[in-house]
Amino acid sequence: DAGVIQSPRHEVTEMGQEVTLRCKPISGHNSLFWYRQTMMRGLELLIYFNNNVPIDDSGMPEDRFSAKMPNASFSTLKIQPSEPRDSAVYFCASAREEGTYEQYFGPGTRLTVT
Amino acid sequence: AQSVTQPDIHITVSEGASLELRCNYSYGATPYLFWYVQSPGQGLQLLLKYFSGDTLVQGIKGFEAEFKRSQSSFNLRKPSVHWSDAAEYFCAVGGNNNDMRFGAGTRLTVKP
Repeated sequence: DAGVIQSPRHEVTEMGQEVTLRCKPISGHNSLFWYRQTMMRGLELLIYFNNNVPIDDSGMPEDRFSAKMPNASFSTLKIQPSEPRDSAVYFCASAREEGTYEQYFGPGTRLTVT
Repeated sequence: AQSVTQPDIHITVSEGASLELRCNYSYGATPYLFWYVQSPGQGLQLLLKYFSGDTLVQGIKGFEAEFKRSQSSFNLRKPSVHWSDAAEYFCAVGGNNNDMRFGAGTRLTVKP
């Protein structure tokens, strides 16, 4: 079991650029979650998907953020245009829809926007 | 809506001493409760979980937690802390909709 895979692990970009973060959930998991972690705000749920369908995107901070899940094995979180305040660690997690609901986290992507 | 409160932002204990990290939750039904640990630069790792049954649950790395419905609490304990336990600990509450909410976290420092 490879676990949740995220790429890139680190991203440094300039303000105004488009940023795309990628996630591959654990095979067989039906749900996928995107979180943002900062010192000021802690761990925030941005959006989650069930069976590739977005269920709750109320945590997405603004229209500059978008997330897609074109199939069960891949999801992206895009920021366009990026701003310095978007600097954070972004985590992806996956879980089975039924059963224990425990979420398995990826290693995160550390984003720095200068 | 569910929510989690971890009253202690930072705790320091001596190596070998006992540990208790507090967690209080708010949830309208029977909650699913979790404790996760995050080492610096790493993702979150599940320590233990409670869904039903015995209110004292055992987890990995020698941790345990006790669910107390009357107090809406799910405190994490370890009888003897090791230096490698220094990390950030997150309590989380969820239900049957896969929507989990995390507390703000408690940072644990272990003194030699």
